[in-house]
Amino acid sequence: DLQLTQSPSFLSASVGDRVTMTCRASQLTKSYGGRFQHVAWYQQMSGEAPKLLIFATSSLPSGVPSRFSGGGSGTEFTLTINGLQPEDSATYFCQVVNNYPHKFGPGTRLEIK
Amino acid sequence: EVRLEESGGALLQPGESVRLSCSASGFNFGDHLMHWVRQLPERGLEWVSGISWNGLKKEYLESVKGRFTISRDNAKNVFYLEMTDLRVEDTATYFCVKPLGIMGGAYEHWGQGTLLIVS
Repeated sequence: DLQLTQSPSFLSASVGDRVTMTCRASQLTKSYGGRFQHVAWYQQMSGEAPKLLIFATSSLPSGVPSRFSGGGSGTEFTLTINGLQPEDSATYFCQVVNNYPHKFGPGTRLEIK
Repeated sequence: EVRLEESGGALLQPGESVRLSCSASGFNFGDHLMHWVRQLPERGLEWVSGISWNGLKKEYLESVKGRFTISRDNAKNVFYLEMTDLRVEDTATYFCVKPLGIMGGAYEHWGQGTLLIVS
């Protein structure tokens, strides 16, 4: 069964900083269509539902600020935030959806100093 | 505007049953695969179940197979999660989710969640 790990589990940074968090998959899997896994990233603020930040590893949905970017391939993926803003304080989860069961990582909690 | 609204959360005892509902609006519900996802008390996220647009294909998390049943009523723009033989470890906030694409993908829209406590 695919497992996702995220590092670090906690991150503290200042407004304006650039931060990168990592999501690692325990194995390489292909979807039913034969494509290797992509990841999605979600932002969850306290008391709210998660919000989609990145899909297909590096694509931003409409409305997501361009300071967020995603990258990686294979079993290692990253989420980078350039120019941290106070409202970026949240927990960030990665996810792989190419096969069932869909899997989430345990999350990285980002604190803005 | 896409809206998803869950209902049915409750405080129940182990072994009891409950049905969660998700009312959808703002998109062609009958065209879309839909999911239930839960957030456990320690705040981890866990996919629970998914149902194809026509209700013919259903997928479940291993730990809920045989206890949970997902279904949908496209005429009413609603889908459900029937949960039986509840366990303490089913305690979570349950979200209904619409993926990006009609066939799946990342979870574009989430409801606000409904809380189920089994104690």
